[in-house]
Amino acid sequence: AQTVTQSQPEMSVQEAETVTLSCTYDTSESDYYLFWYKQPPSRQMILVIRQEAYKQQNATENRFSVNFQKAAKSFSLKISDSQLGDAAMYFCAYRSVNTGKLIFGQGTTLQVKP
Amino acid sequence: EAGVTQSPTHLIKTRGQQATLRCSPISGHTSVYWYQQALGLGLQFLLWYDEGEERNRGNFPPRFSGRQFPNYSSELNVNALELEDSALYLCASSYVRDGLWRNTEAFFGQGTRLTVV
Repeated sequence: AQTVTQSQPEMSVQEAETVTLSCTYDTSESDYYLFWYKQPPSRQMILVIRQEAYKQQNATENRFSVNFQKAAKSFSLKISDSQLGDAAMYFCAYRSVNTGKLIFGQGTTLQVKP
Repeated sequence: EAGVTQSPTHLIKTRGQQATLRCSPISGHTSVYWYQQALGLGLQFLLWYDEGEERNRGNFPPRFSGRQFPNYSSELNVNALELEDSALYLCASSYVRDGLWRNTEAFFGQGTRLTVV
């Protein structure tokens, strides 16, 4: 069975600085997607970025980028130039391409200090 | 295009009662996932429906059940409510393309806040 682990329950970063959130996963599948979702206090889950396992190039979306290490089964999220609006709970998620199963990590609460 | 809608937004029930939560997926989406999120905690997978069938079930007791209707909307029922069932219940919808879950992210609703007193 697939598992997703986020080992950092809480992180904090100074506004305009860079922060990296960690995520590891376990799977025997070769074709899958990885996602980072953001859940602000409004509780609406928003997709931040996604990575296709068969692509070696790391995904980037504006200030958000990932470091995807397939062999190590690691998928970290880097937030550059942190803004107050980035404060939220961040979830790492795994999606099987073949079965559609979607599982989440425990989440990391990010605090952004002005 | 309307997003995933969940109703009600808030629900207050007494211990022992039954709660029914509803989810309408994005038009064209055939798959609905249910998650439980206790206050400040992560998402615990509850149930997953696709094309009207239950595809997978999380590690929850049988008093958590649900169904998916022909229009792909879904209902989550929680019987014999307990205090620890108080949580935010999130629904997400997605779809399969050409038989594969490729380029098909899941979209979430705003959730139903269930409070058991």
